[in-house]
Amino acid sequence: QQPVQSPQAVILREGEDAVINCSSSKALYSVHWYRQKHGEAPVFLMILLKGGEQMRHEKISASFNEKKQQSSLYLTASQLSYSGTYFCGTEVGSNSGYALNFGKGTSLLVTP
Amino acid sequence: KAGVTQTPRYLIKTRGQQVTLSCSPISGHRSVSWYQQTPGQGLQFLFEYFSETQRNKGNFPGRFSGRQFSNSRSEMNVSTLELGDSALYLCASSLGGVERVYNEQFFGPGTRLTVL
Repeated sequence: QQPVQSPQAVILREGEDAVINCSSSKALYSVHWYRQKHGEAPVFLMILLKGGEQMRHEKISASFNEKKQQSSLYLTASQLSYSGTYFCGTEVGSNSGYALNFGKGTSLLVTP
Repeated sequence: KAGVTQTPRYLIKTRGQQVTLSCSPISGHRSVSWYQQTPGQGLQFLFEYFSETQRNKGNFPGRFSGRQFSNSRSEMNVSTLELGDSALYLCASSLGGVERVYNEQFFGPGTRLTVL
């Protein structure tokens, strides 16, 4: 079951903020965030665990709302290097953290 | 430490043929996952292997199969290729483990498969 991401695409000016949401119809134990730049492989950003703390990666932070089965990625004071496609991933099985169902991605473009 | 490598990087096949893709994980990583990436569907999970056993499987037809060797290298096979199989196939490795420990996945550069 693929998680649903919104929005599909975002265009920002350097320094602006953005929020990317990831929702699932099934109960979640963890949410994983990756970023893929054009022509490159996805790169890990962070993992959020049920009951865990809000995580940060540079000026990117994320939260996990267990009741809503939703995670949000917050990009603060965006930089040109933040451009890329962001994917959230949720566990495939009930007992594995290694196989992920990814959303379709959110394309982020940061302009000067 | 060398990263995840995938061979070949590009493939062109015709409908009905079969193809085998290879993935060498980072040294010490025992879990290998395969994903299909297309513009419309994003990253879709195919299957995951750990210690030569398929541990998880995505919602793909039986034409898609895989295996893992004792050195953790993995292969993916697609038989009777269809036009819709054209995609970037990514493999990712992680430390894995029998317990529920969360580790990041390291992705390879992918194999671009074009089916004509």
